[in-house]
Amino acid sequence: DTGVSQNPRHKITKRGQNVTFRCDPISEHNRLYWYRQTLGQGPEFLTYFQNEAQLEKSRLLSDRFSAERPKGSFSTLEIQRTEQGDSAMYLCASTPRGGAGEAFFGQGTRLTVV
Amino acid sequence: GQNIDQPTEMTATEGAIVQINCTYQTSGFNGLFWYQQHAGEAPTFLSYNVLDGLEEKGRFSSFLSRSKGYSYLLLKELQMKDSASYLCAVYSGAGSYQLTFGKGTKLSVIP
Repeated sequence: DTGVSQNPRHKITKRGQNVTFRCDPISEHNRLYWYRQTLGQGPEFLTYFQNEAQLEKSRLLSDRFSAERPKGSFSTLEIQRTEQGDSAMYLCASTPRGGAGEAFFGQGTRLTVV
Repeated sequence: GQNIDQPTEMTATEGAIVQINCTYQTSGFNGLFWYQQHAGEAPTFLSYNVLDGLEEKGRFSSFLSRSKGYSYLLLKELQMKDSASYLCAVYSGAGSYQLTFGKGTKLSVIP
């Protein structure tokens, strides 16, 4: 079991650029989540996939954010026209079928927008 | 709306016992989770309560009172490696699969 894997671990980008992050969940987990965490705060929900279907999106997720999970395996999170306020740790988590919150988190991608 | 409150910081002595409280007001409730997060690392699952009462797991125990919207995490025989942030999270259910997290309690264990 290799756990939840996220790439890249760190990303520095200029304001206005697009960035894409990848998450590989634990292979037998069919549920995948994206969260965002800023310093001194708890993780904040962004979106949820069950297999390949995106079933829930936070109202906080602006049109600049899009997530996909083709074939129900890995997932990508893209941020277009990045802003300084997008600087945060982006966490991916997965749970097994039937699991609720015992989520297994990846190490995260730390995004810095300069 | 969803509101989860926990103290921002706590300090305790190695070998002692510490209790971290969490109160919540959420639109639904289908379970409360505690996660541990060391600085710069991913959160890791500690415990899950869905019914009232105490759940014990080694040095860690978690308590839930649904009528009071209250939980606590009890850490016994504190070790230096327990210095971390402890996150309380509520699963509301009712068609939503997201966890709503509190801001976390930063615990510092001192010699």
